[in-house]
Amino acid sequence: ETGVTQTPRHLVMGMTNKKSLKCEQHLGHNAMYWYKQSAKKPLELMFVYNFKEQTENNSVPSRFSPECPNSSHLFLHLHTLQPEDSALYLCASSQEPGLVSGYTFGSGTRLTVV
Amino acid sequence: SQQGEEDPQALSIQEGENATMNCSYKTSINNLQWYRQNSGRGLVHLILIRSNEREKHSGRLRVTLDTSKKSSSLLITASRAADTASYFCATAMPGETSGSRLTFGEGTQLTVNP
Repeated sequence: ETGVTQTPRHLVMGMTNKKSLKCEQHLGHNAMYWYKQSAKKPLELMFVYNFKEQTENNSVPSRFSPECPNSSHLFLHLHTLQPEDSALYLCASSQEPGLVSGYTFGSGTRLTVV
Repeated sequence: SQQGEEDPQALSIQEGENATMNCSYKTSINNLQWYRQNSGRGLVHLILIRSNEREKHSGRLRVTLDTSKKSSSLLITASRAADTASYFCATAMPGETSGSRLTFGEGTQLTVNP
């Protein structure tokens, strides 16, 4: 366990479904991130939250909707996804937003859209 | 285009040998970080080197940074089968303090054969 917990570990959903991914950290970190990892591609930053305020949306389609109710929890709400959205979704947190320390990642949610 | 590019894309060695992976990047950085990922899992932070540092050690890991060539290398000495994983470099840009981004490369897949 890294201290960042993601649930579920695996998710299969139809294109018309609505589901949510959850991320939780108890490290006292102030910044949280969603990344998408597809095969043969670099990790893609999706969203950044700093002190539960969204500070970056990296041109992510609106079918992905993040929510950060507090500094310890981060959600990614999914609706009307496409098969190309199938990927490993990784949550990460960091001590502070200044990037002078490393990120702590969760184990990810493997999403398959059918 | 991506900031960090690892070389080689894949590396296969025997246990006990040293493994060297390289990373090149395009723009000025605040620091450069190396991460490891076991298959289908989250990334684990290995080591961070700041832009004013040239070399850093952590156990069997040695990282070098050459800012004039915009490149870094990760050396794993006396490799073990358990070192088999993907290794990623990630760069943090200067001046970004508000929950900002790490930009990842595509990674090097290291296989250590027993």
